[in-house]
Amino acid sequence: EIVLTQSPATLSLSPGERATLSCRASQSVSSYLAWYQQKPGQAPRLLIYDVSNRATGIPARFSGSGSGTDFTLTISSLEPEDFAVYYCQQRNSSPLTFGGGTKVEIK
Amino acid sequence: EVQLVESGGGLVQPGGSLRLSCSASGFTFSRYVMNWVRQAPGKGLEWVSYISTGSDIIYYADSVRGRFTISRDNAKNSLYLQMNSLRDEDTALYYCARGYLKRYFDNWGQGTLVTVSS
Repeated sequence: EIVLTQSPATLSLSPGERATLSCRASQSVSSYLAWYQQKPGQAPRLLIYDVSNRATGIPARFSGSGSGTDFTLTISSLEPEDFAVYYCQQRNSSPLTFGGGTKVEIK
Repeated sequence: EVQLVESGGGLVQPGGSLRLSCSASGFTFSRYVMNWVRQAPGKGLEWVSYISTGSDIIYYADSVRGRFTISRDNAKNSLYLQMNSLRDEDTALYYCARGYLKRYFDNWGQGTLVTVSS
């Protein structure tokens, strides 16, 4: 099973600041990595798939990069609605696995 | 608009059974693979099971294999999860999720809560 480790666990930032979230895989997932956003009381929402492709309706301030085992989600300038928990997920091999999440909170 | 509505959750004793349902609308259900994903209270996401469009390919997480059975009825636009031999650690919010590029999840329901407790 591929283990995804996200860091930091919590990121405290102010609106307008840049957020950089990390996801590291225990073995290569090639380019088969996605990012999801989850707000309290809501279901997750797909943001990015296959490392760097934005899902439908996702603003351009969200971007993804990386390959192999190291991946990054960047939010260029935080909007108030971006404070949430973010999960990475790999589809390279079964079982599908998620990272433990990074909470982006208001500083 | 894509809608996924789960039902069937509730309180069950350890060793008991539940059957979850997911009703889909707003898209051609028969053309999409489907999944169940769960989230224990205050915890992260865990993929549970996958079913192909024609039900010929099915996968399970090791944690539920042999106890849970996924199925679908394309004529009824519905997805199911039969859960047997439930354990305390199965307590979670269970989401129905549409597959994207087969193995991502692009639309989710609001979830149905399963609580396993004596």
